[in-house]
Amino acid sequence: KAGVTQTPRYLIKTRGQQVTLSCSPISGHRSVSWYQQTPGQGLQFLFEYFSETQRNKGNFPGRFSGRQFSNSRSEMNVSTLELGDSALYLCASSWGLAGAVEQFFGPGTRLTVL
Amino acid sequence: SQQGEEDPQALSIQEGENATMNCSYKTSINNLQWYRQNSGRGLVHLILIRSNEREKHSGRLRVTLDTSKKSSSLLITASRAADTASYFCATDRNTDKLIFGTGTRLQVFP
Repeated sequence: KAGVTQTPRYLIKTRGQQVTLSCSPISGHRSVSWYQQTPGQGLQFLFEYFSETQRNKGNFPGRFSGRQFSNSRSEMNVSTLELGDSALYLCASSWGLAGAVEQFFGPGTRLTVL
Repeated sequence: SQQGEEDPQALSIQEGENATMNCSYKTSINNLQWYRQNSGRGLVHLILIRSNEREKHSGRLRVTLDTSKKSSSLLITASRAADTASYFCATDRNTDKLIFGTGTRLQVFP
């Protein structure tokens, strides 16, 4: 089985721009979660989608949004980028709800905001 | 916000020694998971322990859970250089999201 894939792997943007990150889960997995990882804040939960529905959202501003498609692929969007949005964005998939079963993580997208 | 905090923040040992990491969390949980992250393989799941379980083993890994103290420990026996990584505990409250701890950086010297 192919693992979780994330595109692009690296991204450089400037303040004020917007960005869309993509995640393809493991085949058959219906849950996709997104996390932001920074040296200062660690791993922070962004949101989880299950069967195209957002089940939970972390404590992030409305500039962070996401969606899940019928094939379980997910995208997250960050609008009006700020310097503090520079981070590693990780996507994880699972066959069941995020807290109840093993999560499979992708390699991440490294976003740098200049 | 962080639900869990790992202790110690950093740990250095020699190959062959055992490594113990602790995780404390704040609210009641359904499940607790341990993950490892290194630069080569990203974030990888190690063990999931449910709130009604007290101990779980997987190879050289042993996880304990004490819900009365809201704490868990991860023991790695006979450490290898390849175990060098950051280790995170992650907890859920309603089985619908994971909240990660701050992590323990483990360095195993050959």
